[in-house]
Amino acid sequence: SQTIHQWPATLVQPVGSPLSLECTVEGTSNPNLYWYRQAAGRGLQLLFYSVGIGQISSEVPQNLSASRPQDRQFILSSKKLLLSDSGFYLCAWAGKRGYNEQFFGPGTRLTVL
Amino acid sequence: QQQVKQSPQSLIVQKGGISIINCAYENTAFDYFPWYQQFPGKGPALLIAIRPDVSEKKEGRFTISFNKSAKQFSLHIMDSQPGDSATYFCAAPNSGGSNYKLTFGKGTLLTVNP
Repeated sequence: SQTIHQWPATLVQPVGSPLSLECTVEGTSNPNLYWYRQAAGRGLQLLFYSVGIGQISSEVPQNLSASRPQDRQFILSSKKLLLSDSGFYLCAWAGKRGYNEQFFGPGTRLTVL
Repeated sequence: QQQVKQSPQSLIVQKGGISIINCAYENTAFDYFPWYQQFPGKGPALLIAIRPDVSEKKEGRFTISFNKSAKQFSLHIMDSQPGDSATYFCAAPNSGGSNYKLTFGKGTLLTVNP
């Protein structure tokens, strides 16, 4: 069966510091991968998605970047965090066949102070 | 660009009652509509999904109804239980020529009182 991991689970960072969040998927190959942000208030905002190694599509201009160095690894980064980067960051994966059923990871709670 | 409108924003139901959440979409590349359930501090979990050529999908107490002509679909939770208290999201495939993305509704916070 497939599993998706995210770490760290929680993170408190000062404004201006760098960020690196990691997501890995097990039990599948060549998945589509996604980064979402969920601010207080529940909505899911798609930040980036990737259909393969090195292929990144950005949905929203912002202070963040994403990379996919390996087939089942997706990384979300920032060089300098802003207060507005605080939120709940979710990684998801989907198989390429079928109807793009997305499966979410446990999330990372980021607080920027 | 796909838009999905979800209502209500919040819903309070008594134990044993029926919870109904509605979503409307604008366009879709294909008829696949999933619902996700999210508990506080957790990632959303796929709850139930309806696929093409089906107007209704039932799994236990959860039912999706789909009205293609009206571009609407809804989630019904029968015999609602306090353990169903969570935020529910509907989603629809992006209409932009790619099946890589889902557009999510803004969520419904369901509270089931004991």
